[in-house]
Amino acid sequence: DVKVTQSSRYLVKRTGEKVFLECVQDMDHENMFWYRQDPGLGLRLIYFSYDVKMKEKGDIPEGYSVSREKKERFSLILESASTNQTSMYLCASSSSQGSVGYTFGSGTRLTVV
Amino acid sequence: GENVEQHPSTLSVQEGDSAVIKCTYSDSASNYFPWYKQELGKGPQLIIDIRSNVGEKKDQRIAVTLNKTAKHFSLHITETQPEDSAVYFCAASPGETGNQFYFGTGTSLTVIP
Repeated sequence: DVKVTQSSRYLVKRTGEKVFLECVQDMDHENMFWYRQDPGLGLRLIYFSYDVKMKEKGDIPEGYSVSREKKERFSLILESASTNQTSMYLCASSSSQGSVGYTFGSGTRLTVV
Repeated sequence: GENVEQHPSTLSVQEGDSAVIKCTYSDSASNYFPWYKQELGKGPQLIIDIRSNVGEKKDQRIAVTLNKTAKHFSLHITETQPEDSAVYFCAASPGETGNQFYFGTGTSLTVIP
């Protein structure tokens, strides 16, 4: 069964820590995305990548960076975690071959204290 | 950029009744409209999609309609069951490389047994 795997289900970090959220897909998809999900705000795009070593800012990139060194792995980095980054983080991937929907991971619920 | 609005934000129906969720979009270039279902503790899953050259699509108890002129699309669930209880997201995509999606803010559907 094809899947998108997020390394942690729950994380608790302290303010100021550097946080890494990892996402791996096994579908050979070109495109990968990081969203955060907050009540009443839906899914907001943080960063996305069309190819290895490529990255594009989404709607809310401030305070985040990403890394895509391999096609299957897309990492989201919180350089200095803050309490307003407490959220559910969702990774997704999609193929560039035809217009198809995303496959999402199960999410990482991050709490910054 | 694209702006997707979704209504209602919460919806309660009796088991066996129908549920309708409506979305509007702003960018006439959008041509792909997926719907996602997110169950508690899971990532969103694609349940049905429609492309701009089609007015309606049905899959068992769920159907999606699209009015390109009015920039409206809707999800219809008939004969609702308790397992339909979830958060539903609509999305719109211009279908360009990378398939960046713009999501609505979600509808929390509760089916009352």
